[in-house]
Amino acid sequence: RKEVEQDPGPFNVPEGATVAFNCTYSNSASQSFFWYRQDCRKEPKLLMSVYSSGNEDGRFTAQLNRASQYISLLIRDSKLSDSATYLCVVNSPGFQKLVFGTGTRLLVSP
Amino acid sequence: DADVTQTPRNRITKTGKRIMLECSQTKGHDRMYWYRQDPGLGLQLIYYSFDVKDINKGEISDGYSVSRQAQAKFSLSLESAIPNQTALYFCATSDRTSSPQFFGPGTRLTVL
Repeated sequence: RKEVEQDPGPFNVPEGATVAFNCTYSNSASQSFFWYRQDCRKEPKLLMSVYSSGNEDGRFTAQLNRASQYISLLIRDSKLSDSATYLCVVNSPGFQKLVFGTGTRLLVSP
Repeated sequence: DADVTQTPRNRITKTGKRIMLECSQTKGHDRMYWYRQDPGLGLQLIYYSFDVKDINKGEISDGYSVSRQAQAKFSLSLESAIPNQTALYFCATSDRTSSPQFFGPGTRLTVL
């Protein structure tokens, strides 16, 4: 089983739609969780950290479900500029590193 | 100025050549990482360093070597480049292993 699994998509949504992505992780000892955004042929950029109580940053909401070992990202009022690949990232405590998912591609159309 | 810089940004080379990719950071982070990314695939960790005296192999270190010349500099070498090392290479930094990592702009390497 992969340490971090994501639906590769693509998710095709119209502008203004709400879209949600989930990501599952296998190591129950993981403590740090992040969502990154990566545009085509560019570097990944930190979108937001994910906290146990859930957190929101503008149109973006992140949730953590430790019991089921998944994190989610909700994007409200999608913009064309939200089109990108979203990477789920989880720390691997035993190996002192972060593990990056392969990403979920989002395409927002006019 | 960018916090994490990589040089060169693009490189085309031939099979068998030795190539060095360089990474510099001004974030003051101790931890530095090298990843490669192939089209449609995720990031694969090549090497990582927790400080100047600590170098560790990642998932795909074969065919690569690194040097941590200073806290701010971490270079990746391909001793004898081969075509399947054609990829996008990213350097990243963090202040702790559980903290988010910050990436450089990447080096696009093509081995003919």
